[in-house]
Amino acid sequence: GIQVEQSPPDLILQEGANSTLRCNFSDSVNNLQWFHQNPWGQLINLFYIPSGTKQNGRLSATTVATERYSLLYISSSQTTDSGVYFCAVERQTSYDKVIFGPGTSLSVIP
Amino acid sequence: DSGVTQTPKHLITATGQRVTLRCSPRSGDLSVYWYQQSLDQGLQFLIQYYNGEERAKGNILERFSAQQFPDLHSELNLSSLELGDSALYFCASSTGDGGDTQYFGPGTRLTVL
Repeated sequence: GIQVEQSPPDLILQEGANSTLRCNFSDSVNNLQWFHQNPWGQLINLFYIPSGTKQNGRLSATTVATERYSLLYISSSQTTDSGVYFCAVERQTSYDKVIFGPGTSLSVIP
Repeated sequence: DSGVTQTPKHLITATGQRVTLRCSPRSGDLSVYWYQQSLDQGLQFLIQYYNGEERAKGNILERFSAQQFPDLHSELNLSSLELGDSALYFCASSTGDGGDTQYFGPGTRLTVL
C-alpha cells in the first residue's frame, strides 16, 4: 500500500523562528490535507491542498503532486503552534482511502 | 469549533463489553469518516459512509461495525472489547464523497479496563 512519511519527527523551535515540515508519499493521491493536533487532542484542519500553494496567515503549504511531496511552512512561530502536525492523503481505493503520516511533533519555547 | 459533534467525550468500560460512539456531521455534510488513534498505530482510517451508504472500508476489526442513519448522524459500535481497543476515536465529515476537506470532531476517548 501507499507509504506516507513525515520529517522531521520532532522539532523544537524558539518563539519567532521559522520552520518547514515535509510530507512524502509513495503513490499518486487525489487529495492531501494538513492537520494540527493541539495538546488537548483536537485535530484542526489547516489546508486542503492536492496541488499548488496556499497561504493562511503565518502558515503556508505547497504540494508538488508530480514529485509526491508536500511542505508546510510555519513562520514567526508562537507557543500556540505547539502540537503534532499530520499530513493525510486520500485515494480512490477503499482499504487505504485515507492514510495519515506519523506526524511531526513541534514544541515552540518562549 | 468544527461543527462536528461526538458523544460521549470519555468512556470507561471493561473487557468483553460493547459500546456505541455517536457522531453528528456538520450541517450539509453527507460523508462521515471514522478513525482510531492509538499510541502504537497512529491515526488509522476505519470506515466511510456517504448519504447512508458504506463507501470505503479500512482497517476495521470484525468486532466493530458502523452505520449512518437517515438524519446523517453515524454510530460506531465496538463489541467484545479488548484492552488494545483503548484509543481516541474520531469522526470527520465532509460535503462530498471524498476529495474534499474533512472536518474532525473532538473525539471520544475510550478506555478499556
